[in-house]
Amino acid sequence: NAGVMQNPRHLVRRRGQEARLRCSPMKGHSHVYWYRQLPEEGLKFMVYLQKENIIDESGMPKERFSAEFPKEGPSILRIQQVVRGDSAAYFCASSPTTTGGNYGYTFGSGTRLTVV
Amino acid sequence: KQEVTQIPAALSVPEGENLVLNCSFTDSAIYNLQWFRQDPGKGLTSLLLIQSSQREQTSGRLNASLDKSSGRSTLYIAASQPGDSATYLCAAYNNNDMRFGAGTRLTVKP
Repeated sequence: NAGVMQNPRHLVRRRGQEARLRCSPMKGHSHVYWYRQLPEEGLKFMVYLQKENIIDESGMPKERFSAEFPKEGPSILRIQQVVRGDSAAYFCASSPTTTGGNYGYTFGSGTRLTVV
Repeated sequence: KQEVTQIPAALSVPEGENLVLNCSFTDSAIYNLQWFRQDPGKGLTSLLLIQSSQREQTSGRLNASLDKSSGRSTLYIAASQPGDSATYLCAAYNNNDMRFGAGTRLTVKP
């Protein structure tokens, strides 16, 4: 079991470009969560998705950010027209059940986005 | 809305010392509480998961306790080692939502 896979590990974008971050959950996990970690800060919840559905996007900025988890393929976090303030580490976690159940969350290694 | 606080924000101890990291949460209706370790520039490694019905979990030199009624959890590290140096995060899980504290940055000096 390869765990939660995120790619790319590092991503550099110029202001105004688009950033696409990918997350493949653990095998058998159908629940995906995205978090953002700004330098020297804790993790902030962004969005919770199940296959083909957004369950909770209360932590997602209203503009420029979107997320999907299609029936086939990884979950994608998309940031349009990036700005310097988007520079952060973006982490994805997955769980097998709706409550994190007996297993808690498993995190990927993150994607570090740098906007120049 | 759940808020999670970790004290202290940073801690420096000499090797061999036993230490306690504190985590408090405002909403006691949690399903579970999870402790993670994060090394600089790296992802999160799960250390211990405590279900809401449990009071503590142990793994090697680590012991985590949970007191839902007071909204507190502690992570006890015995006989600390320089390799324990990292940021320790606690996270409380409610409905479809895991909230993190800002972490305690631990440095264990040889």
